[in-house]
Amino acid sequence: AQKVTQTQTSISVVEKTTVTMDCVYETRDSSYFLFWYKQTASGEIVFLIRQDSYKKENATVGHYSLNFQKPKSSIGLIITATQIEDSAVYFCAMSPPLSGSFNKLTFGAGTRLAVCP
Amino acid sequence: GPKVLQIPSHQIIDMGQMVTLNCDPVSNHLYFYWYKQILGQQMEFLVNFYNGKVMEKSKLFKDQFSVERPDGSYFTLKIQPTALEDSAVYFCASSLGTGNTLYFGEGSRLIVV
Repeated sequence: AQKVTQTQTSISVVEKTTVTMDCVYETRDSSYFLFWYKQTASGEIVFLIRQDSYKKENATVGHYSLNFQKPKSSIGLIITATQIEDSAVYFCAMSPPLSGSFNKLTFGAGTRLAVCP
Repeated sequence: GPKVLQIPSHQIIDMGQMVTLNCDPVSNHLYFYWYKQILGQQMEFLVNFYNGKVMEKSKLFKDQFSVERPDGSYFTLKIQPTALEDSAVYFCASSLGTGNTLYFGEGSRLIVV
């Protein structure tokens, strides 16, 4: 079974700074997929970025990037130049390889990010 | 990004009654999912569905739960009968295939009284 752990319950930063959110995972699979989603105040779940475990290069999308450290089973999310509207709850998630469960996502408990002016 | 629509956005229902939650997945997606989120907690997998069949379900997917997608219309989650512990936000998601990103709807908040 897969497990995802986010130890940071909440983080508060000043806008325009950089924030890193931690996530560690457990799996017996040699390949897997990792995702970050955010949940806005309205409850909407928004996909942000993903990392396929076989790719060594860290994924980057806009002002989101990942710090993937496979030996440590860690997939940190980095947000640069934070904006007020980045305030949300951020969830880390993983899914098994293609040969395993059909895209069954396992989520972490989430990290609440508050971006202040 | 791709949009998944859910109807209703919220519903209050008496315990023991039946409820159907509707989901309109992304048009070319083939895999469909339901997740349950209790207030303040992470989303938990309920079930996934492909080619007219349930592929996998979790312990949370009780016997009172059922899913279907008749004739390519809405992908539905039916709970019959409802219980107080079914109160939660139910999120529908869809993906093009396995290994592809899941896209979520805005959730259906169910309150069982």
